[in-house]
Amino acid sequence: AQKITQTQPGMFVQEKEAVTLDCTYDTSDPSYGLFWYKQPSSGEMIFLIYQGSYDQQNATEGRYSLNFQKARKSANLVISASQLGDSAMYFCAMRTLRNNNDMRFGAGTRLTVKP
Amino acid sequence: SQTIHQWPATLVQPVGSPLSLECTVEGTSNPNLYWYRQAAGRGLQLLFYSVGIGQISSEVPQNLSASRPQDRQFILSSKKLLLSDSGFYLCAWRWGQNNSPLHFGNGTRLTVT
Repeated sequence: AQKITQTQPGMFVQEKEAVTLDCTYDTSDPSYGLFWYKQPSSGEMIFLIYQGSYDQQNATEGRYSLNFQKARKSANLVISASQLGDSAMYFCAMRTLRNNNDMRFGAGTRLTVKP
Repeated sequence: SQTIHQWPATLVQPVGSPLSLECTVEGTSNPNLYWYRQAAGRGLQLLFYSVGIGQISSEVPQNLSASRPQDRQFILSSKKLLLSDSGFYLCAWRWGQNNSPLHFGNGTRLTVT
């Protein structure tokens, strides 16, 4: 069974500092993709970054990077130089090749950026 | 570019009333389409998905149903709403490739009273 775990219900970070949001996953499928989404208070889900299970390098997209540790089954999101607009809910998600229409989401982490 | 429209943005309905939420995608053809529900302060739960016109897969048993009458139109319905149907409903689309992310609409906040 696929499972995504986000153990940090809430995180605080000072503006301009970096923050790491944790995500662990569990699957027996060797082929899978990991996704991170941002959900501001307005509710829309914004895709941030993707990491494939066979990708050799950690994914990066601007200030977002993914610390992918396959053996530990973790896919932590790192946000560098935090901005006030980064305050939002962040969701980790996974989809396997075997169930490629079933993207599973974690419970989310609420990030608050302090000025 | 592709856009996804979902309406209404908010809805307050009494228990036992019917429901129809609509979602349309522009700028692409034959997308995979999805309905998710998000309970307050929680992650997303997949309700239905569709890989083509008339093809609907249900992930959880409930009193909701979905239909795809046209290639880029996805409708979520109920004949009689329950209090437990309250939540935030999100429509999403993606291309068929394995690494294709979901792209979400702005959501519908449904309150059943």
